Amino acid sequence: QVQLHQWGAGLLKPSETLSLTCAVYGGSFSGYYWSWVRQPPGKGLEWIGEINHSGSTNYNPSLKSRVAISVDTSKNHFSLKLSSVTAADTAVYYCARKDYFYHYMDVWGKGTTVTVSS
Amino acid sequence: EIVLTQSPGTLSLSPGERATLSCRASQSVSSSYLAWYQHKTGQAPRLLIYGASSMATGIPDRFSGSGSGTHISLTISRLEPEDFAVYYCQQYGGSPLTFGGGTKVEIK
Repeated sequence: QVQLHQWGAGLLKPSETLSLTCAVYGGSFSGYYWSWVRQPPGKGLEWIGEINHSGSTNYNPSLKSRVAISVDTSKNHFSLKLSSVTAADTAVYYCARKDYFYHYMDVWGKGTTVTVSS
Repeated sequence: EIVLTQSPGTLSLSPGERATLSCRASQSVSSSYLAWYQHKTGQAPRLLIYGASSMATGIPDRFSGSGSGTHISLTISRLEPEDFAVYYCQQYGGSPLTFGGGTKVEIK
């Protein structure tokens, strides 16, 4: 059974860079897109972007200038970096496995709460 | 960007009642790329339906999805206590992937 375990810093100051990593256990790393999704307090879900095992990425245009998603296939890890954070980036961040063909997300990490505050 | 509009925003129902949730897209999306999720506070979202009408693994058969093009629906035939949550539709017929604003199903 595939599981995603995610971690990273939970408290940042404005202008710092958010950095989260997600490890994939118990399944194939290839044949999927690996996504990041966030949920600001009191709001809905927002897709941040995705990467496949060969490093091909897609990003939400609203965040594209500040986002970088990378992959380390030797460790079955993928990572999110979001630069120049502000209070608006305060959210619960989830990693998720996305089906390559039907684009649904069927396996999710437990979420990491990231707070941006001075 | 394809905008998904969910209605109603909140649905107040009692256990045992039927829930029907609506999701409308700003432009037509292939049914293959439409999904529904259940989200409870403090938990990760849970995939319910993909391809507009296919049930994800382990999902009870009281959940069903229908529709195509610009309008899909999620139906919960008889609400169980554990079904009270927020539900989101999602599309990736066109980048970026987007979610609807959510429908909260609350206990009446």
